[in-house]
Amino acid sequence: SQTIHQWPATLVQPVGSPLSLECTVEGTSNPNLYWYRQAAGRGLQLLFYSVGIGQISSEVPQNLSASRPQDRQFILSSKKLLLSDSGFYLCAWNGQGTGNTIYFGEGSWLTVV
Amino acid sequence: GQNIDQPTEMTATEGAIVQINCTYQTSGFNGLFWYQQHAGEAPTFLSYNVLDGLEEKGRFSSFLSRSKGYSYLLLKELQMKDSASYLCAVSDYKLSFGAGTTVTVRA
Repeated sequence: SQTIHQWPATLVQPVGSPLSLECTVEGTSNPNLYWYRQAAGRGLQLLFYSVGIGQISSEVPQNLSASRPQDRQFILSSKKLLLSDSGFYLCAWNGQGTGNTIYFGEGSWLTVV
Repeated sequence: GQNIDQPTEMTATEGAIVQINCTYQTSGFNGLFWYQQHAGEAPTFLSYNVLDGLEEKGRFSSFLSRSKGYSYLLLKELQMKDSASYLCAVSDYKLSFGAGTTVTVRA
């Protein structure tokens, strides 16, 4: 069966520090991969999506970036975090056997201090 | 782009029925989804509608009218564990989410 994992689950980072969140999907190949952010009390905002290795589309301008170095690996990064980057980050996927339905990883809580 | 509207909060009594409405405007349509999100957790998939009509899945049902840009999620026989946020999402091959409706179930 297909599973999705992301880590770390929680992190507290100072302003100006770098960020790396990692997500992997198991049990499928060539998935579509997504990064969403959910700020406190707000809806899910699509940040990036990828339909294949090295193919990244950005939905909103920001100081974050995404990379897909392998078929089932998706990484969210920042060189210098801002206070406004705090939030709940969710990796998601869809593809073979899921149709249009996307499934989320466990989420990563980021607090920038 | 997409514009998705749903009420912010709803409160209901255990055992009752609650209906969460969602209206949307989208340039492309490839399906409407409902997700449940408990506080502090990731959303989990509840239902998917791509054709007009009612989809029933146990205590949960979802309805879609594409011509009206309208959907609702019906929760029957409410239980305390149904207290959560319910997210309406529209796909034009990637999903865009509404802000969510927080449902509080009271004893």
